[in-house]
Amino acid sequence: DAGVIQSPRHEVTEMGQEVTLRCKPISGHNSLFWYRQTMMRGLELLIYFNNNVPIDDSGMPEDRFSAKMPNASFSTLKIQPSEPRDSAVYFCASSLNGGNQPQHFGDGTRLSIL
Amino acid sequence: GQQVMQIPQYQHVQEGEDFTTYCNSSTTLSNIQWYKQRPGGHPVFLIQLVKSGEVKKQKRLTFQFGEAKKNSSLHITATQTTDVGTYFCAHLDPSNTGKLIFGQGTTLQVKP
Repeated sequence: DAGVIQSPRHEVTEMGQEVTLRCKPISGHNSLFWYRQTMMRGLELLIYFNNNVPIDDSGMPEDRFSAKMPNASFSTLKIQPSEPRDSAVYFCASSLNGGNQPQHFGDGTRLSIL
Repeated sequence: GQQVMQIPQYQHVQEGEDFTTYCNSSTTLSNIQWYKQRPGGHPVFLIQLVKSGEVKKQKRLTFQFGEAKKNSSLHITATQTTDVGTYFCAHLDPSNTGKLIFGQGTTLQVKP
């Protein structure tokens, strides 16, 4: 069975550039989560979708970050403009129904903003 | 959101020794999930506990949920080098939005 698929695996870009991260959840999962992981702040939830609708975006750092889920099999996280402090590993995870179910994580996107 | 405290932050053990990590909350938790993240990898779900006093075992791993549902522990018996990684506890946010809140994790190093 295919797990959560994220792309790209690595991204290196200059500050000011737009960055788009992509995620395909496990088929049949109706909850999707975007996390950011850094040494300093650990694993932080950025936004959580249920049935393609954003339920909680309180973790989105600022207006430079936006996330969409146009259908049940695809989501994007966009940073525009990017800044060096956005450098982190970004994980997408999906589950059958919210936080009561196990979350399945993708391999992550390692983002470096120069 | 409410944060759980995980201790210790780091632990170095000799292969064969036991290891325990603790997850503590000041308020009652509805559930606890445990995840393991290998170096360079992604978090992988291990188990969920929901009942007061619940104990579950997976081979050398024993998971407990406290009677008051305010703490949890993960105990590894006779560690192996394959146990290396960071162990996270996570719980459902009481705001009922359905999101999980992760602890800061305990990083385990095992010396062969």
